[in-house]
Amino acid sequence: EDQVTQSPEALRLQEGESSSLNCSYTVSGLRGLFWYRQDPGKGPEFLFTLYSAGEEKEKERLKATLTKKESFLHITAPKPEDSATYLCAVGDGGYNKLIFGAGTRLAVHP
Amino acid sequence: NAGVTQTPKFQVLKTGQSMTLQCAQDMNHEYMSWYRQDPGMGLRLIHYSVGAGITDQGEVPNGYNVSRSTTEDFPLRLLSAAPSQTSVYFCASSVTGGADTEAFFGQGTRLTVV
Repeated sequence: EDQVTQSPEALRLQEGESSSLNCSYTVSGLRGLFWYRQDPGKGPEFLFTLYSAGEEKEKERLKATLTKKESFLHITAPKPEDSATYLCAVGDGGYNKLIFGAGTRLAVHP
Repeated sequence: NAGVTQTPKFQVLKTGQSMTLQCAQDMNHEYMSWYRQDPGMGLRLIHYSVGAGITDQGEVPNGYNVSRSTTEDFPLRLLSAAPSQTSVYFCASSVTGGADTEAFFGQGTRLTVV
């Protein structure tokens, strides 16, 4: 069964304290792994797509990496404005759909 | 740029009532989808469409109907609302399929069924 598991469920960081979020997945035919950011009361906003193991992508303080079984979202020197829920999703090519994890709620305090 | 527009933003229904959640996109995307988001759970796919006139069921389709008469619009109909349908609903669109291109989401509709 296709599954996406994110950990931790919640993470509290001090401003400047780097950390990583994990997304582990099982899917029959991976077409892509996606990271989204969701602010309270808003829809998810696209961050990255990774297509193959070993691929990395960066955007400001965020860096996403991919292996055959998991992806990491590394946050370097976070700021309070990075506080949000980060969602991971995998594309299941067999069923033409995205499968989402439950998300990691990140709070960055000054 | 409007992107994906959902209406209404908030709605309260009584059990047994019906209603339609509206979704429109102005990006000429072929693929559109509806998700529901519940606390502690990931977004779950309700229905999706790969183009005008073509729809299919997702993971949790029971109690919901969709149609796609135009590329731009993809309304979601609740036939007879139940408290279990209390949730936040998101519409999304993407260029092609749902599995390999980024999805653009609307702002969501928060639905409460009493």
